[in-house]
Amino acid sequence: SQQGEEDPQALSIQEGENATMNCSYKTSINNLQWYRQNSGRGLVHLILIRSNEREKHSGRLRVTLDTSKKSSSLLITASRAADTASYFCATEYTGANSKLTFGKGITLSVRP
Amino acid sequence: SAVISQKPSRDICQRGTSLTIQCQVDSQVTMMFWYRQQPGQSLTLIATANQGSEATYESGFVIDKFPISRPNLTFSTLTVSNMSPEDSSIYLCSVGPSSINIQYFGAGTRLSVL
Repeated sequence: SQQGEEDPQALSIQEGENATMNCSYKTSINNLQWYRQNSGRGLVHLILIRSNEREKHSGRLRVTLDTSKKSSSLLITASRAADTASYFCATEYTGANSKLTFGKGITLSVRP
Repeated sequence: SAVISQKPSRDICQRGTSLTIQCQVDSQVTMMFWYRQQPGQSLTLIATANQGSEATYESGFVIDKFPISRPNLTFSTLTVSNMSPEDSSIYLCSVGPSSINIQYFGAGTRLSVL
């Protein structure tokens, strides 16, 4: 399977703390994306990083990509209770023709 | 961005019956995708639906079980046929604008099969 792996599987932090989530993948990619899913609803796109990029920022989100290690991390700074959700990394593998492969997801709980 | 309306939002069905899920987009899109998400699991791609051609199914999914229609650039349906309890899942449609490979998702259909 080409499915990515996130870690940790579950993360519980206090409001105001930073949350770091990691994702590893297996073969070469065009890009890697992070999505959020609230309570079994549809996914919402958060951020995309291309294979030739190393770091991107969007608001309180910071994503890094290390293609030599085939890994990415998502940092959420100054977390809020509303950040409580499941987070998925998704990769567009080279030659995948726009299809995305989703990891197993990380459940983030932010305690007020 | 794109706004996707997916119906029904949830349903409870008897085994052996079929359910058709609808996905309507507010703009024309080339690619539409159907996913299954089993309880507590990740998303698994069922098929890619392109207008004017047969859907492309992923390994483990067949047209007889999951027939898909894509009559135009804003609409698609997925049918879950001859359902069994193992089909209980959330089914999600998404669209992928051609300019950049970000997918926008519907809210999902939560299906329970008794």
